[in-house]
Formats: sequence, structure tokens, C-alpha cells
Amino acid sequence: AQRVTQPEKLLSVFKGAPVELKCNYSYSGSPELFWYVQYSRQRLQLLLRHISRESIKGFTADLNKGETSFHLKKPFAQEEDSAMYYCALGFSGGYNKLIFGAGTRLAVHP
Amino acid sequence: GAVVSQHPSWVICKSGTSVKIECRSLDFQATTMFWYRQFPKQSLMLMATSNEGSKATYEQGVEKDKFLINHASLTLSTLTVTSAHPEDSSFYICSATGTSGSNEQFFGPGTRLTVL
Repeated sequence: AQRVTQPEKLLSVFKGAPVELKCNYSYSGSPELFWYVQYSRQRLQLLLRHISRESIKGFTADLNKGETSFHLKKPFAQEEDSAMYYCALGFSGGYNKLIFGAGTRLAVHP
Repeated sequence: GAVVSQHPSWVICKSGTSVKIECRSLDFQATTMFWYRQFPKQSLMLMATSNEGSKATYEQGVEKDKFLINHASLTLSTLTVTSAHPEDSSFYICSATGTSGSNEQFFGPGTRLTVL
């Protein structure tokens, strides 16, 4: 069965510290992985996806098929990065559904 | 671009009444729309997937007679919570995908439903 695991509910760091939000997935097919972010009182929005291989707001994520992981990283956290981060697995089950992980709240302290 | 709106943003109703929530893609044609439910401090739970002009596909455990979904056009999907009860109180979020073939979903701002 398809599953996305985000083991940390809360990640608390100080400004300028490196950040790594963990995401592991379970899927037998060819996955499409996304990171979505939800800032306070705002809608969910796409942060990045693995097929783009881009860096958004200093964040990067590399798909590791061997470890079935898609961890989100940023070398120097900023206070404005504080938000809820969701890892999502997309698969073509006929309707291009997304399966979301439980989410990790990132709190960046000054 | 790729903006999704929801209406209303919040609604309070009495137990036993029905509530309709609209989801619109404002600047693109949405081939598929999704409805999620989010409980406080929890992740999004996919309720159903709808394609324009066809019946919605419900996830396991979601009552299709309770949560009626209509996707009458490429820009509008509605979720009707029938005979609402306090346990239906939740945050309902819709999303939509376009015609690019990507799995990227564009999310609405959500609707807070409170059933008294």
C-alpha cells in the first residue's frame, strides 16, 4: 500500500541552523514526490517536487529511491520558514491522487 | 495562475441540516478535483476524487451518501454534507489538477464547518 511517513511532528531550531525534515515513502511503482508548505492561516502551497530538481526559498530535496526517502533540507533556517510542511506522494491510480504524510511543524526561533 | 477558491470560508449550521461547499478553479480548467478533510493539528485525509461529468470516487470509509460530490463543469465542484452532525465539524479543503498531466494539485483555502 502507498504510504508517506514523516517521523517528526515538530522540529525546533534556531535561526541560521541547518534543517532537515524527513520523509519516507512506500510505493512499488514510479513515485512522484512533493513537498507542500502551509504557513499560518494560509492555504497549502507547493514548495517543490522532485522532478523539477530545483531549489525554492533555499530548500532542496533529493529523491533517494534506494532508501525510499525525500528529505527536505535547508542549510540556514530563517524565521519565516516557520510553517507546517507536508510530504506527499503522487501516483497514477487512475486519478493522480496524492497521499500526504502527517506533516512536520518547523519552528525557527530567533 | 492556478488559483482555486472555496465558498464559503466558514459555515455554522444546525445538526440535521445540509451544507454545500463550492470549489472553483478560477483561471484554469480542472480535469480533476479532490476533496480533503483536515482535523485540528492533523494531516489532510483524502475523501474523494471527482472528474468532470462523472461520478466521484470515494476513499474507503467515506460515506458517499453523506458527502455528495458534484463536478458539473471543468471549473466547479461541490461537496454537500447531508444531514450534518457535530462529528462532521471539520476543515474541508478542495484541490484541483489541470491538464498538464502532472500530479501537482492546487489547493483552495479551505472551509471551516461547525455543526451545532
